Amino acid sequence: ETGVTQSPTHLIKTRGQQVTLRCSSQSGHNTVSWYQQALGQGPQFIFQYYREEENGRGNFPPRFSGLQFPNYSSELNVNALELDDSALYLCASTPGTGELFFGEGSRLTVL
Amino acid sequence: AQSVSQHNHHVILSEAASLELGCNYSYGGTVNLFWYVQYPGQHLQLLLKYFSGDPLVKGIKGFEAEFIKSKFSFNLRKPSVQWSDTAEYFCAAVVYNQGGKLIFGQGTELSVKP
Repeated sequence: ETGVTQSPTHLIKTRGQQVTLRCSSQSGHNTVSWYQQALGQGPQFIFQYYREEENGRGNFPPRFSGLQFPNYSSELNVNALELDDSALYLCASTPGTGELFFGEGSRLTVL
Repeated sequence: AQSVSQHNHHVILSEAASLELGCNYSYGGTVNLFWYVQYPGQHLQLLLKYFSGDPLVKGIKGFEAEFIKSKFSFNLRKPSVQWSDTAEYFCAAVVYNQGGKLIFGQGTELSVKP
């Protein structure tokens, strides 16, 4: 167990809808990052939050947004869903040592 | 742009065979390197990591990897695989002092036949 929990584990949405994914990071980890893993691909970095501020972003459009809360839990929001957004979304936290601890992911299907 | 490439998409081995999975990264500066494993239906788990020092790194479950700076490589090895090693393996790199963004390779699916 990594101590990183994500919810929901699975969900189905339709094109144009909005989705919010949640992550509870391991105690003491002040940095959280989100990754998108499409089928057959390696995870792709979406963005990272450190002490409630975004401090790094990958090549994803602005309709991907996030939040980090004072307790270091986090949300990933995706607006105007597209079919290509179907993927496993991974949350990872780190205490700043360079090692990331991953949750089991939220599998999003967009129809 | 920094990138990580893994040479094999799918490797099939028999139990007790030796394993070597290739990984190359493109960044010329200081990098931290990782191998993660994803068993079916489970989360990504860290197998081993290299930050500095001895370029031969030993990880969990009998895995090891060798960092060869001149070749920009970080290949994963195991002398004798088991059926339970069936999983997807990801090489990843973090560019030093660039915010902890982890760049993953596309993954290698390992199937071990009993």
